[in-house]
Amino acid sequence: GQNIDQPTEMTATEGAIVQINCTYQTSGFNGLFWYQQHAGEAPTFLSYNVLDGLEEKGRFSSFLSRSKGYSYLLLKELQMKDSASYLCAVRDSNYQLIWGAGTKLIIKP
Amino acid sequence: ETGVTQTPRHLVMGMTNKKSLKCEQHLGHNAMYWYKQSAKKPLELMFVYSLEERVENNSVPSRFSPECPNSSHLFLHLHTLQPEDSALYLCASSLSGPGAGEKLFFGSGTQLSVL
Repeated sequence: GQNIDQPTEMTATEGAIVQINCTYQTSGFNGLFWYQQHAGEAPTFLSYNVLDGLEEKGRFSSFLSRSKGYSYLLLKELQMKDSASYLCAVRDSNYQLIWGAGTKLIIKP
Repeated sequence: ETGVTQTPRHLVMGMTNKKSLKCEQHLGHNAMYWYKQSAKKPLELMFVYSLEERVENNSVPSRFSPECPNSSHLFLHLHTLQPEDSALYLCASSLSGPGAGEKLFFGSGTQLSVL
């Protein structure tokens, strides 16, 4: 079966760096997405990786290794507003989106 | 504001009630989706409409009935629901159909509680 694994919850300190990992086993691969979802709000798009390597976008970066079935989202200079759930999703060979259960990130002062 | 609006934000209903969830997108997109989000579980795709035609129905019970009257509006009609149907129901849209591999724009969801 198809599966996406990510930690259920992580805690980090304001101003620090945190890495949220995502591993996947899917039928083929056509890209990996990261979304951010604040409590009670809509998930919003953060990043998209289809080739191996690091994509940087301001304080957020996303990395992909297709051979390892692995991605991570790196958040730098953490702010309180970064407290949210982070959802990893992989598009398989049929262009179906397979979702992880999300990682709840708690930022402490 | 993502350009996708869902109403109501919260809904409490009994198992014998009939209610409808509404979604409207203001982005000029051609595909719309219904997802179910339960606590600590992955998003579950329920229905997909592309150019107002249903292109996917992932074995969803018949007590959930979608309707897409035009490319901007999507409804989810609910009847005789079960307590396990309590969840956050998210609507999303994308510019083209699901096969295009584009990002999704989500609404804030309807938090449904079935008593």
